This record gives sequence, C-alpha cells and structure tokens, in this order.
Amino acid sequence: AQKVTQAQTEISVVEKEDVTLDCVYETRDTTYYLFWYKQPPSGELVFLIRRNSFDEQNEISGRYSWNFQKSTSSFNFTITASQVVDSAVYFCALSEVDTGTASKLTFGTGTRLQVTL
Amino acid sequence: DAGVTQSPTHLIKTRGQQVTLRCSPKSGHDTVSWYQQALGQGPQFIFQYYEEEERQRGNFPDRFSGHQFPNYSSELNVNALLLGDSALYLCASSFGGNQPQHFGDGTRLSIL
Repeated sequence: AQKVTQAQTEISVVEKEDVTLDCVYETRDTTYYLFWYKQPPSGELVFLIRRNSFDEQNEISGRYSWNFQKSTSSFNFTITASQVVDSAVYFCALSEVDTGTASKLTFGTGTRLQVTL
Repeated sequence: DAGVTQSPTHLIKTRGQQVTLRCSPKSGHDTVSWYQQALGQGPQFIFQYYEEEERQRGNFPDRFSGHQFPNYSSELNVNALLLGDSALYLCASSFGGNQPQHFGDGTRLSIL
C-alpha cells in the first residue's frame, strides 16, 4: 500500500524567509510519480509539480525548488523568499505509473503554511 | 479555457437523504476522478471514470456511486447520508495516462 507522510502540520514564517516542507513516502512500486499541490482557502487544489521516480534531479521553478531523494524516500519542497500569497495548505501526493488512465493519487495530510508580514 | 467546474458550491442535507454532485472536466480531458476531503485531512480517492465506466475505486462503501456521460462530465451520488459524509468533494480531470490531474474548487457538503 502507498503512504505519504507530512509530519509538519503547520508552519509559520515571516515574509522573505525560506521555508522547507517535508514529505516522506512509502510504496512497493519500482516506478511511481510524486506530486505537490497547493490548496488556497478557496479549496481548489493547484498542481505545482510532478516528478517521475526515474528522475532524481532537483528542480527549480522561480522561488520554488524540489529535492527528491529516493534513498530516503523523501520529496521536499522549498519556497525561497516566501510571500504572503504563499499562505496555503500544501499537499504531497504519490501515484502509480499507469500507461492507461491516470492513477489515483494518495495524499499526505498536508502542511499549512502561514506567511506573515 | 475553462478549468474543472463543479456544482453546487455548497450543499446542506440531513441524515438519510441522497445527494448528487456534478463535475465538468477541463476541455480536452476524458478522465474524471472524485476525492473526499474531510476537514483537516488530505483528499481520499473515491473512484475514477473513463469511457463511461468506473475504472478504479477506493475504499468507499457502495452508497457512493457515480456516472460519466458521453461528454465526459460526471456525477457523484451518495445515498443514505451519514454525518461522517460531511466533507469537501473534489473532482479532478485528466487526459490519458500519466498526465497530472487538475482539480475543481469542490463541493462542500454538510450533513445535519
């Protein structure tokens, strides 16, 4: 069975601080996808990134960066120079790799990030 | 280009009633998945529809059923509502395999 653990329930930072959100996963699959989604108060889950288990290169997109380490089953997310607009709940998720339809997502419990001025 | 749209936004029901939630996928998407998100929790997979058939199902009772129409839109039906069914119900759509799922704003269902 797949499992995603986000141990940090809530994080509060002051604007311009860097913050890292942790994600640890469990799966018996040899190939899988990892995701991060952002959920603002409106409720919509906004897709941020998908990483294939074959690709362990770190990725940077603007102020966002992701550190995938297969050896420790972790897929951490860092926001550099945080802004108030980054305040949201962030979810890490895991899915199988399926050549047919999209596989179901297994989500963690989320980390609530609050960025204050 | 419209994203995933869900209706209604909010719904209040009482125990024992039945409810139908609706979802229109993002343009070009053919697969619809439904998730239940209880307060303070991550979304839990209910089921997925593709080519008008249920393709995958999570650990939810038969009270939860669905349908997909030829235009790819979908409905989620829940019978004999329980207090524990109170949650945000999220619809996600995607195209083909291995493509990221895009989510709607959800329907917040409250059971009194």
